[in-house]
Amino acid sequence: EPEVTQTPSHQVTQMGQEVILRCVPISNHLYFYWYRQILGQKVEFLVSFYNNEISEKSEIFDDQFSVERPDGSNFTLKIRSTKLEDSAMYFCASTPSGGINEQFFGPGTRLTVL
Amino acid sequence: GQSLEQPSEVTAVEGAIVQINCTYQTSGFYGLSWYQQHDGGAPTFLSYNALDGLEETGRFSSFLSRSDSYGYLLLQELQMKDSASYFCAVRDHYGQNFVFGPGTRLSVLP
Repeated sequence: EPEVTQTPSHQVTQMGQEVILRCVPISNHLYFYWYRQILGQKVEFLVSFYNNEISEKSEIFDDQFSVERPDGSNFTLKIRSTKLEDSAMYFCASTPSGGINEQFFGPGTRLTVL
Repeated sequence: GQSLEQPSEVTAVEGAIVQINCTYQTSGFYGLSWYQQHDGGAPTFLSYNALDGLEETGRFSSFLSRSDSYGYLLLQELQMKDSASYFCAVRDHYGQNFVFGPGTRLSVLP
């Protein structure tokens, strides 16, 4: 069964460093999302991406964040200058269309900022 | 703004039935979804309601009342493996993101 994959599973970085989190959505899906979840808290929306552009972003998704679909398979989230409060689990998700209500989540990348 | 409310914790015994409620206030409404998340795992989709009424999928059912901005997830014949966090999520526009509730931690006791 097709699944969303994410790499790395765990990323440790120093405050101020740049990190890139990678996701490979399910191949025929068209809508892509990034969410984050601070330990023990709810899932928070960061950004949605469709047709090679951002379709919606939250207040969390400030200038230090960017997303890219560099090729036909990868979907990346870049954090330019990490802060301690960026430590969280980051989930990528995808759906085949905007009308499909089941989001398929990847296993997540645990980001630890020291 | 958008807000969703859920009970923080629910405890039940194996074989029992449990209901997890969700109330929401959103600028628009395109549907209410439910996700299960085991510790350390990713959210997995359980069910979705766009219209009022009950949707049944095996041991899980989900209900929606749009006039009351309220829904619930009903879990029957509880099993130990159902111990997890359950999130309701509202989509307020076609093709846009889901806003997740704070989650309800379900503990199933033997």
